[in-house]
Order: sequence, then C-alpha cells, then structure tokens
Amino acid sequence: GAVVSQHPSRVICKSGTSVKIECRSLDFQATTMFWYRQFPKQSLMLMATSNEGSKATYEQGVEKDKFLINHASLTLSTLTVTSAHPEDSSFYICSARIGPTVYQETQYFGPGTRLLVL
Amino acid sequence: DAKTTQPPSMDCAEGRAANLPCNHSTISGNEYVYWYRQIHSQGPQYIIHGLKNNETNEMASLIITEDRKSSTLILPHATLRDTAVYYCIVPDSWGKLQFGAGTQVVVTP
Repeated sequence: GAVVSQHPSRVICKSGTSVKIECRSLDFQATTMFWYRQFPKQSLMLMATSNEGSKATYEQGVEKDKFLINHASLTLSTLTVTSAHPEDSSFYICSARIGPTVYQETQYFGPGTRLLVL
Repeated sequence: DAKTTQPPSMDCAEGRAANLPCNHSTISGNEYVYWYRQIHSQGPQYIIHGLKNNETNEMASLIITEDRKSSTLILPHATLRDTAVYYCIVPDSWGKLQFGAGTQVVVTP
C-alpha cells in the first residue's frame, strides 16, 4: 500500500508556542490530504481537508486560525498548531488520498504525531 | 450520508477466523464500504473496501449482503497482532471518513 509519513512523531512544547507537523506521501501524489485529532480513549475526529494549491476546509467547531494548514505540493501538507495550550495536547494523524474520485479513492494514514503541551 | 453500526467489542481465539459485522442500512448505490483498523498508538491501517461484490486481499475478506445493508469483515486466521480497533466506514458525500467507535477486537492465545 501507499506510504504516508509524519514528522515529528512526538513533540513536547511550552504553552503559547507554535508547533508544525509535516505530512508527506512518499510514493504517490496526493491531491487531497486530511487531518485528524484523537484524544485518549476516543475515536479519530476529522479536523480539516486540504487540497493542493487551495485553502483548507475545516470541520465545524475547528478553529481555522488556530490550526493552520498548508498543502503546498502534491506530496506535502503541514499543520501548524498556533499558540498551543495544554488542551491541544492530542494525537494528530494525517491521511492522503490519491485521486479526486471521492467514493473509491482509498485514504492512507500516517503514523501520527503525539503533541504534549506543558 | 450513510451511518454504520458495529458491536463495541469482540474476542477471538488465535488461529480462528474473526468475523466482524457492520450494518449500513442507509447506504446508497454508489457508496463504498471501507474497513480500517487502528492498533494502539498508531495511525489507522487500510484493510479492504468494496461496493457490491465480495472482495479478498492478503489481509482479509469482505462479504457484502446482496441488499448492501450490511457487511462482514473476515480475518481468516487471527493472530495476536490483529488485536486492534476495527472501523467500518462509508465515506460521506465529500469522500471524508468519519470514524465511529469501531469494534475493539482482542485476539487471545
């Protein structure tokens, strides 16, 4: 299957700082990437959808000014958590989809980034 | 957008087949059923997907009922490494995956 990487795998930062997480599709070009967040003992929650070269679309309740997403190329999307606070501590996971055909294009997930804000 | 319903948990003996059910009674004609699994502290792993016909790959088999209102994921010979949360998902109209609670599968020796 297709491979998606994330960097860093874990990060600890101080409250008020910004953290950037990278998501890369290693062996395919991804027209669409997705960002999820997962709190302990909960399921994944979709945060936003990003398409290469256009603005991200955020799910209801997700602050777009706090979670900045850039999808500058077909193999790289970044999520920046701005002015992070302890409640932003979570497991952030990205996924990438190869084609624009929404019903039958499989999404491949990265290994996740664990963020701890002190 | 079709919702899915899965049992919260199930146990399976190592070496035996694991049959994971999923109901998706509101699925429409051109919507696929996807199965993913998430092993603890890892990103979800794609398993299989299907539309109407049964599907099989190196990981599992997917049996979809003729009316498409339910499906069953079959892990033919479960191993301890198959212990994970299994998600049955029908992408929404934008192709997004909305994860439910899934089924926690525990494979025991």
